[in-house]
Amino acid sequence: AQSVTQPDIHITVSEGASLELRCNYSYGATPYLFWYVQSPGQGLQLLLKYFSGDTLVQGIKGFEAEFKRSQSSFNLRKPSVHWSDAAEYFCAVGGRAGGSYIPTFGRGTSLIVHP
Amino acid sequence: NAGVTQTPKFRILKIGQSMTLQCTQDMNHNYMYWYRQDPGMGLKLIYYSVGAGITDKGEVPNGYNVSRSTTEDFPLRLELAAPSQTSVYFCASLGSSYNSPLHFGNGTRLTVT
Repeated sequence: AQSVTQPDIHITVSEGASLELRCNYSYGATPYLFWYVQSPGQGLQLLLKYFSGDTLVQGIKGFEAEFKRSQSSFNLRKPSVHWSDAAEYFCAVGGRAGGSYIPTFGRGTSLIVHP
Repeated sequence: NAGVTQTPKFRILKIGQSMTLQCTQDMNHNYMYWYRQDPGMGLKLIYYSVGAGITDKGEVPNGYNVSRSTTEDFPLRLELAAPSQTSVYFCASLGSSYNSPLHFGNGTRLTVT
């Protein structure tokens, strides 16, 4: 069965500092990988996705992520964090289960940004 | 373009009451999903549907039921509400290909007391 691990429940950074949020996945084939962001009281919004090709993918709001097959990882990065980036971040893997497509989410990482 | 619409936004139920969470999408998506979100637990799949008339259980289906009579609507039914069902519920739909992102509604915050 597919699974996603986000080892950090909370991450605190200062505004302007760099950011890396970790994500490890388990899936038997080439996965579809996603990062979503959730602002308070809102649904989830797609930041970026990977399904093939270049392993470094660019997303919205200056975020990027790198797919590393050997480490089963898909870490999210941003070189300089803004106060508006404070939110909950979810890594997800999409794959087939019993003939259907089932997206599976990690538990989320809460990003706190200090001024 | 409304996308995925969930109603109500908030609801308080007493133990044993029933209710239906509504979800509608206007993108003609075949796949639809119901997730619940609990603090520190991420999103857990309750039920999903691959098209009108076809539904299946997800990871945490106990205490819930769904139906999919049309492509647009995917309501989630709680028959006998329990405190353990206090959560935020999200409905989502999937576009035409598996590398498409999920489209989420804004959620329903349910409290059972």
